[in-house]
Amino acid sequence: DGGITQSPKYLFRKEGQNVTLSCEQNLNHDAMYWYRQDPGQGLRLIYYSQIVNDFQKGDIAEGYSVSREKKESFPLTVTSAQKNPTAFYLCASSIRGVTEAFFGQGTRLTVV
Amino acid sequence: QQPVQSPQAVILREGEDAVINCSSSKALYSVHWYRQKHGEAPVFLMILLKGGEQKGHEKISASFNEKKQQSSLYLTASQLSYSGTYFCGTDTIPTTDSWGKLQFGAGTQVVVTP
Repeated sequence: DGGITQSPKYLFRKEGQNVTLSCEQNLNHDAMYWYRQDPGQGLRLIYYSQIVNDFQKGDIAEGYSVSREKKESFPLTVTSAQKNPTAFYLCASSIRGVTEAFFGQGTRLTVV
Repeated sequence: QQPVQSPQAVILREGEDAVINCSSSKALYSVHWYRQKHGEAPVFLMILLKGGEQKGHEKISASFNEKKQQSSLYLTASQLSYSGTYFCGTDTIPTTDSWGKLQFGAGTQVVVTP
């Protein structure tokens, strides 16, 4: 079955450590996105990519990094520079942004 | 730059109607609507492309006024299953530095009571 998979579902990190969230899709979608969700603040765009080997900063890119070496994969690294990384992270993909976005089940990151 | 949604929350009794609005300061190419249940991923409802169309999904429909850069989602004869947080997502007219930038509003929490 086609879909978009995020792993892990829950992640705990110590302050000062980098951590990488995985996002894989087998829908053959060109576009992929990372969003951060905090209570009451909706979905805020971190990074997005329309094509392999190219990506753009979203609205809250500081403290995050991404790569897009393969069409099906768009990992997000939360670096130690991110001041308040505890949040729910959602990955999505679509066909060039003009069709529906399919979301993964999310990763809940907690900094301890 | 994110779209602005209103109201922030609405409480309905089963069978009542509600309207959720979404507006943008930029020219829009498409508007998406999603519903999210607590702790789950957002679920796609419908997408409206540039052209001012109106779409429907059972008793949920939406309109898109591209001149006003606004979209509205209509919940008709609400059911208990309609409870959740509704998000609009917008994709602006493609330019060299902002193509496919799908941004979402802060959401509208809908509670439908028996």
